[in-house]
Amino acid sequence: DAGITQSPRHKVTETGTPVTLRCHQTENHRYMYWYRQDPGHGLRLIHYSYGVKDTDKGEVSDGYSVSRSKTEDFLLTLESATSSQTSVYFCAISPGQGGAFFGQGTRLTVV
Amino acid sequence: GDSVTQMEGPVTLSEEAFLTINCTYTATGYPSLFWYVQYPGEGLQLLLKATKADDKGSNKGFEATYRKETTSFHLEKGSVQVSDSAVYFCALSDNTNAGKSTFGDGTTLTVKP
Repeated sequence: DAGITQSPRHKVTETGTPVTLRCHQTENHRYMYWYRQDPGHGLRLIHYSYGVKDTDKGEVSDGYSVSRSKTEDFLLTLESATSSQTSVYFCAISPGQGGAFFGQGTRLTVV
Repeated sequence: GDSVTQMEGPVTLSEEAFLTINCTYTATGYPSLFWYVQYPGEGLQLLLKATKADDKGSNKGFEATYRKETTSFHLEKGSVQVSDSAVYFCALSDNTNAGKSTFGDGTTLTVKP
């Protein structure tokens, strides 16, 4: 398995609170990604990073921000969580070509 | 924009049956194509890939051929096992940023003994 660790694995939070999800890799890959998975929508890209402090928006970036201060860590922040952000969040890494490697996922419930 | 359309599921087969999961795509340029598999409670795992027209990706008895003329990348396996039960995702990306992918909605496969 690729060295990707997501934390926490499960979280329940209240509407309006800030939430930060962490992705840590030990592969030294350049690219890191955050996806969300919802029934009927497959996986949708939220944000991605192509290097330290270099990030870009994906398809569903509204309400989310990211930071990458070290090669190995990519943080996803929900500034003010809403019920529509209840989802399973996956971090992925890639060397650029050949596909991506996914973490185990974080199940987030906003009540 | 880019899009991936997968055969709707769920698909239920008996052990040792032949599997086909259809995938077609719309993209500009010449994307790379992938199949990923997701087992319950886990993340996606790369199953196979193809980076140019007529390439055949294969792994664990699964195969898919990159057909540019029909914009398709259908997944096949000659004899499925119970352990193949999972959700299968078709995806495309450009050739330099493989994780920035467009995914299909996934097809759930159940194999019965």
